[in-house]
Amino acid sequence: RKEVEQDPGPFNVPEGATVAFNCTYSNSASQSFFWYRQDCRKEPKLLMSVYSSGNEDGRFTAQLNRASQYISLLIRDSKLSDSATYLCVVNGGDSSYKLIFGSGTRLLVRP
Amino acid sequence: DAGITQSPRHKVTETGTPVTLRCHQTENHRYMYWYRQDPGHGLRLIHYSYGVKDTDKGEVSDGYSVSRSKTEDFLLTLESATSSQTSVYFCAISGDGHDYTEAFFGQGTRLTVV
Repeated sequence: RKEVEQDPGPFNVPEGATVAFNCTYSNSASQSFFWYRQDCRKEPKLLMSVYSSGNEDGRFTAQLNRASQYISLLIRDSKLSDSATYLCVVNGGDSSYKLIFGSGTRLLVRP
Repeated sequence: DAGITQSPRHKVTETGTPVTLRCHQTENHRYMYWYRQDPGHGLRLIHYSYGVKDTDKGEVSDGYSVSRSKTEDFLLTLESATSSQTSVYFCAISGDGHDYTEAFFGQGTRLTVV
């Protein structure tokens, strides 16, 4: 079983739609959680950190469920510019600085 | 953007030759990482460093070695390149003095082994 698992998609949605991604992780000792965005042939960039209480940044909302060991990302009012691959990232529970990436979920927003 | 520079950005090499990729940072971050990215596999950790001369293996370390002789440089060496090592390699840094900080990435090195 992979340490971090994501639905690869692609998710194909119209502009203005709401879309949600989930990610599960296997190490219950993990303590840091992030969502990254990666555009085609570019480096990953931090989208947002995920806090225990949940957090929101504009149209983006991240949630953490420690009991079920999953993380979610909700994108409201999708824009064409949101088209990218979204990567779930979790730190390795045995060493806080070891970051494990999911394979990513691809999002396509159509006009 | 975080000050991370990878070199070279593109390289084509022949099977069996040694290759060294360089990652240079100007942020004085403690932790440095090398990942490879392949279709269908996402980013996989090759090696990482938690300080000068302190390194450890990631999930796909076979065929790779690393060195970190000073804070700002982290080198990845393919001792004898194989076609299976054709990939995009990303360097990342983290750790600005706080625990559990996010990682910042270099622009990547596209390596082709023929």
